[in-house]
Amino acid sequence: LAKTTQPISMDSYEGQEVNITCSHNNIATNDYITWYQQFPSQGPRFIIQGYKTKVTNEVASLFIPADRKSSTLSLPRVSLSDTAVYYCLVVAPGYSTLTFGKGTMLLVSP
Amino acid sequence: DTEVTQTPKHLVMGMTNKKSLKCEQHMGHRAMYWYKQKAKKPPELMFVYSYEKLSINESVPSRFSPECPNSSLLNLHLHALQPEDSALYLCASSQGGIQETQYFGPGTRLLVL
Repeated sequence: LAKTTQPISMDSYEGQEVNITCSHNNIATNDYITWYQQFPSQGPRFIIQGYKTKVTNEVASLFIPADRKSSTLSLPRVSLSDTAVYYCLVVAPGYSTLTFGKGTMLLVSP
Repeated sequence: DTEVTQTPKHLVMGMTNKKSLKCEQHMGHRAMYWYKQKAKKPPELMFVYSYEKLSINESVPSRFSPECPNSSLLNLHLHALQPEDSALYLCASSQGGIQETQYFGPGTRLLVL
């Protein structure tokens, strides 16, 4: 089971692009990289998932280099409502468990 | 409908009480999950049901007893809990395996006195 490492916290201002990097040095061949967002007293919400290169959806982009030992979640033009904890997970089909990393607390200021 | 509902939202119970948490989804998902989350910590997986059968039990104490009456419902029965069991209990569901997108409910905030 690949262990993930993220910054504990990040600060940004409204309108800026935010990049949160997750390290997963022992990622396995079949592992997917998934990011969730969590607001206080709410359940996590899926943001994006990828396997390699780049994935983009309506809220974020996920950049994965060729060696897949890290990944970067990119949030374009953040707003105050993007203040939340962001979790990076590495998981594969058939895994017998799933472990959330410690998460990155993103604070967006006016 | 991409919603997972949980009841109750809040629960206070004594250490001798028996209570149940309920979770429901109508997305046709075949996997359902229980997580425990302490303050300022990430969610910790407790149980996984796949096709209504318990597939993963993360060495959770027996005072927590999961039940999956049907494919849409998931219960967590609580008995003789300890104060350290106070936490946010989250339910989630996914279409298939553990690697697929999980949809989380809002959680039940549990306080054990």
